Amino acid sequence: ELKVEQNPLFLSMQEGKNYTIYCNYSTTSDRLYWYRQDPGKSLESLFVLLSNGAVKQEGRLMASLDTKARLSTLHITAAVHDLSATYFCAVAGASGYALNFGKGTSLLVTP
Amino acid sequence: DVKVTQSSRYLVKRTGEKVFLECVQDMDHENMFWYRQDPGLGLRLIYFSYDVKMKEKGDIPEGYSVSREKKERFSLILESASTNQTSMYLCASSSPSLSGGTEAFFGQGTRLTVV
Repeated sequence: ELKVEQNPLFLSMQEGKNYTIYCNYSTTSDRLYWYRQDPGKSLESLFVLLSNGAVKQEGRLMASLDTKARLSTLHITAAVHDLSATYFCAVAGASGYALNFGKGTSLLVTP
Repeated sequence: DVKVTQSSRYLVKRTGEKVFLECVQDMDHENMFWYRQDPGLGLRLIYFSYDVKMKEKGDIPEGYSVSREKKERFSLILESASTNQTSMYLCASSSPSLSGGTEAFFGQGTRLTVV
């Protein structure tokens, strides 16, 4: 059974600080996806990581993938309130079609 | 602008009712999915479909069925709704293989309450 584990599950951080969210998964995969969900809203795609060593950046967020360690990280630089949301990582399951999600990291950025 | 549209944002149904949740995508995607989202449990896959009339069980198919008669439409059916099916339901679609690197696009969600 494919497992996707995120930590931390809850994160409260001050504006201006840096932090990293971790995503471990239990299967061999070189495809990993990060999504963002705002309260009451649906999921929005953030990053698609397609190979070992892939790194993508968008604004204050940077995602990376280490397929050998089965680990992806989402790094937040100089957090701002607008980044408050829940962040999910996901990996394609055995079918290759459906995504298996982590439980999500609920991020709150405070002044 | 890509779109996955779910027929209802909020739905309240009674225990024992048959419930239909509809999802339509306009991206000509082959794959479509139904997830439910519960606090502390993340998203769990109920069913998915990789082609018209084809379906595969996900992790929690019990109490649900699906229908895909047309490529753009994927329906989730609760045969006899129960209170433990109160949840947020999310529909998604994607192109043929997520292992090929294309992401899934999600609808806005249907919050279903069974009373």
